[in-house]
Parts: sequence; structure tokens; C-alpha cells
Amino acid sequence: EPEVTQTPSHQVTQMGQEVILRCVPISNHLYFYWYRQILGQKVEFLVSFYNNEISEKSEIFDDQFSVERPDGSNFTLKIRSTKLEDSAMYFCASRRETGVYEQYFGPGTRLTVT
Amino acid sequence: DQQVKQNSPSLSVQEGRISILNCDYTNSMFDYFLWYKKYPAEGPTFLISISSIKDKNEDGRFTVFLNKSAKHLSLHIVPSQPGDSAVYFCAATSNGQNFVFGPGTRLSVLP
Repeated sequence: EPEVTQTPSHQVTQMGQEVILRCVPISNHLYFYWYRQILGQKVEFLVSFYNNEISEKSEIFDDQFSVERPDGSNFTLKIRSTKLEDSAMYFCASRRETGVYEQYFGPGTRLTVT
Repeated sequence: DQQVKQNSPSLSVQEGRISILNCDYTNSMFDYFLWYKKYPAEGPTFLISISSIKDKNEDGRFTVFLNKSAKHLSLHIVPSQPGDSAVYFCAATSNGQNFVFGPGTRLSVLP
């Protein structure tokens, strides 16, 4: 059964460094998302991406964040200058088509900023 | 600003009995609702969904009920099994782009 994959599973970085979190969505899916979950808190929407552009983004997704689908299979989230409060689980998700809202999530990347 | 609320942080149920997880929302623009299950160290897994044009959707042991006037939905699991022990998230959307998740309810099914 196809699944969303994410790498790395755990990333440790120093404050101020850039990180890139990678995701491979399910191949025939058209909509892509990034979410984060700070330890003990709820899953929070960051950004949605469709047709090679951002569809919607939350207040969390400020200028330090960017997304890219560089090669038709990978979907990346870049944080330019990490802060301590960026420490969280980051989940990638994808869904198939318009009107079908069920999202399939990857296993997540745990980002630890020290 | 909690647009989606799950007021019970945890719930314990005996194996074989019914589990009822509740979710309330405040945004009347939401028109599609989903339930996800999450095990530790894994991403959320889609369980069942419901459109606002319906009041019930059933899939095997899982049934979701929607009461639009009360802005309330519930997930029923019958019969509950130990493998159902997980955190359950309710989520809502108005456009399929931005999904708002509730804080989750931890379900424990006791053998």
C-alpha cells in the first residue's frame, strides 16, 4: 500500500541554522501539506500546496518557512533560521484530488533545536 | 482561538463496550469533518469522515454522527478493542486547504 515517507526521522540542529525536512507524498496525490505538533499539544496546520504553489498558509508559516516541490516527487519544508520554539514533530500529508479530503500522513520528523 | 474542541483529554472503556468520542466546533463555515487515530511515534491515520450534508457515516466498527445545529460531532467505536487504544483527533475544514485539528482524546481500551 502506498505511503507518505519523511526523512530524516530525527533532526538535531543549533539555533540559527537552516534545516530542510523532506517528504515523498503518495505518487498520484495532488495536494500536499505540512503540519507540526509541539510536544503535548495539538496538530497545527502550517501550509498547503497545490499545482506548484502555496494554496494557504497559517500564521505560523512566516518568512522563515518555505516549501518546494523540486522534482515532482519530493516535497520539502525549509526553515531558514531555526529558533528554540521550532522544536516539534513535523508531519507531511497528501491527498488525492479535489473533493476527496482524506489526508494521508507521513511518520513525521522530530526536529530538536538546541 | 479553539475552533475545534475535544473536551475530554482521556477516556477509558472496557473491551467490547462502546467508545464515544466527542468533538465541538465553533466555525459555522466548516463543512467537512474527519477523525484520525494516532499512535505514539507515528503520523495520524485517517479513520472516517463526514460531509455537512450528512448526519451519519458508518464504516465497520466506526460511526460518525454530525449535529450541525449543535456544532457537535461524535465518533462511536463498537465494539472497542485493545488495539483501538490511541489518541483520536477530530479535524475540520471549509475548503480542503486548511484543516483545523482538535487537541485530541486519549482512548484506553481495557482488556
